[in-house]
Amino acid sequence: KQEVTQIPAALSVPEGENLVLNCSFTDSAIYNLQWFRQDPGKGLTSLLLIQSSQREQTSGRLNASLDKSSGRSTLYIAASQPGDSATYLCAVPNNYGQNFVFGPGTRLSVLP
Amino acid sequence: DAGVIQSPRHEVTEMGQEVTLRCKPISGHDYLFWYRQTMMRGLELLIYFNNNVPIDDSGMPEDRFSAKMPNASFSTLKIQPSEPRDSAVYFCASNLGRFGQPQHFGDGTRLSIL
Repeated sequence: KQEVTQIPAALSVPEGENLVLNCSFTDSAIYNLQWFRQDPGKGLTSLLLIQSSQREQTSGRLNASLDKSSGRSTLYIAASQPGDSATYLCAVPNNYGQNFVFGPGTRLSVLP
Repeated sequence: DAGVIQSPRHEVTEMGQEVTLRCKPISGHDYLFWYRQTMMRGLELLIYFNNNVPIDDSGMPEDRFSAKMPNASFSTLKIQPSEPRDSAVYFCASNLGRFGQPQHFGDGTRLSIL
């Protein structure tokens, strides 16, 4: 059964810092990995989706990498801004199915 | 382009009452998912449908929970009878079933059972 963990659970940084969020999964037989953002009282917004054949994906100040063999992914946020404050979750498919297993999330606070 | 639409946004009801949550997926999406989010357990998949057919309902906690998808543009999640431990935020999501397509989430229904 796929299990997903995220480190750290919470992170508080001053504006402008570059930061890294970590995601680990137990079953490396995945076909993609997805990073989401969740704002308080809102649903999840998809940020990046990395296919198993890719090593990284970039969108603006966000860069996500994937190392299937080690069961890890990182989300890199460059030049953080207060508007980046949210909870970030990673998700991987369970047993090549369409059902995703989510990590517990990293709660990020970027201070002005 | 409308996203996934859920209703109601908030629901407060007394224990024992029937609760019905509604979801309209993005047009053209052939997969629909129901999730529950709590502080203790995080985000959990309850059930998902493909082309209106339930594929995996192993996450449905009890027989008190049921879900239907009568057509491609509508799904319901029903709890009968409701209990205080059902209090959570319930999310609906949809996507295209081809591998590599992201899931799109609604804003959720915050359910409180008194």
